[in-house]
Amino acid sequence: DTGVSQDPRHKITKRGQNVTFRCDPISEHNRLYWYRQTLGQGPEFLTYFQNEAQLEKSRLLSDRFSAERPKGSFSTLEIQRTEQGDSAMYLCASRYYREETQYFGPGTRLLVL
Amino acid sequence: EDKVVQSPLSLVVHEGDTVTLNCSYEVTNFRSLLWYKQEKKAPTFLFMLTSSGIEKKSGRLSSILDKKELFSILNITATQTGDSAIYLCAVESQGGSEKLVFGKGTKLTVNP
Repeated sequence: DTGVSQDPRHKITKRGQNVTFRCDPISEHNRLYWYRQTLGQGPEFLTYFQNEAQLEKSRLLSDRFSAERPKGSFSTLEIQRTEQGDSAMYLCASRYYREETQYFGPGTRLLVL
Repeated sequence: EDKVVQSPLSLVVHEGDTVTLNCSYEVTNFRSLLWYKQEKKAPTFLFMLTSSGIEKKSGRLSSILDKKELFSILNITATQTGDSAIYLCAVESQGGSEKLVFGKGTKLTVNP
């Protein structure tokens, strides 16, 4: 078991560009979460999948953000027309329904210039 | 809306000191309170608390929950420089996605 993995680990982009992040959860974990963390803040919930179904989205997730989990395994988070305010650490976490806690990946640090 | 407040936001101690980190919360349909340690990367799980008055321990770390007063504390005894990190408190509610709502964290610095 290699834990939750995320790719890329770092991304620098120019304002207005689109970016896509990938998260591979721990195998057999059917629940997958995306969070965003800015400097000096705790992680903030963005969205949640149970298997391939996206069951909850935060109001933080504007229409420029979209997330998918097409086969109930890995997930992608896309940000269109990036803005400087999107600069943050994007964390993915997964959970098996019987487990007690969410396990976090290393995160993707996004910098929008 | 669920809310978590941690204090202090920052703390500087010397090796060997004992520290107490505080977490107060407001949540509908409380399920659990969790503590995580974050060292420049992903949060790593420390404790999950669901019942009042039952202390959880792991080495020099311990934590307890008071569901009546809606708070939890995390104690670290005989601190070491490796304890330097941000300690995050989060709450989880029952039903729905069971997402975590985090506080801002306490940044602990342990000086040699």
